[in-house]
Amino acid sequence: EAAVTQSPRNKVAVTGGKVTLSCNQTNNHNNMYWYRQDTGHGLRLIHYSYGAGSTEKGDIPDGYKASRPSQENFSLILELATPSQTSVYFCASGDTGGNTLYFGAGTRLSVL
Amino acid sequence: AQSVTQPDARVTVSEGASLQLRCKYSYSGTPYLFWYVQYPRQGLQLLLKYYSGDPVVQGVNGFEAEFIKSNSSFHLRKASVHWSDSAVYFCAVSAGNAGAKLTFGGGTRLTVRP
Repeated sequence: EAAVTQSPRNKVAVTGGKVTLSCNQTNNHNNMYWYRQDTGHGLRLIHYSYGAGSTEKGDIPDGYKASRPSQENFSLILELATPSQTSVYFCASGDTGGNTLYFGAGTRLSVL
Repeated sequence: AQSVTQPDARVTVSEGASLQLRCKYSYSGTPYLFWYVQYPRQGLQLLLKYYSGDPVVQGVNGFEAEFIKSNSSFHLRKASVHWSDSAVYFCAVSAGNAGAKLTFGGGTRLTVRP
């Protein structure tokens, strides 16, 4: 019944390779977000979207692209992965009114 | 720009003791404030939120928080902690308008000793 589902849950990638992290939500929320979580930094916003076809840059967008092909799906793309992108990535959805976010379980990415 | 500071990276308390986790925010307007909890290997879950009205808000599992505008604070409290409260707690702030971004603090890792 999880409303925000991320895949894969774990990923090992090579430096310079392409990585796609996927997120699906069944909340019918307009807004979706990608955060990364690193010790000492909390969660930092990478990209977000206000609806299908829209993507916006967050606070740390460099090295990342995003794609929102539909209301339900929001992907994060690392075209040329680097070891500094090793982290835990969280997707979230939120409605346009109350700012409450609903998070997925996270994707643990290791770039070697 | 908005920001959140959680000055205590780690807090350890004994089961049954009271708890306060500190949160200070920076935002020029009227903030929307949140506390989220993250259990091991899980995503974040909303504990409570403050938009307006009574500055003391109640959340799940006996948690509450108090908005003190003069101090730019939104501390989380619980009267008596249980070992299952061990988790990482995040404070967050938003501008509150439609689609506003949520900015998180660095988190506080709470350990409850049995």
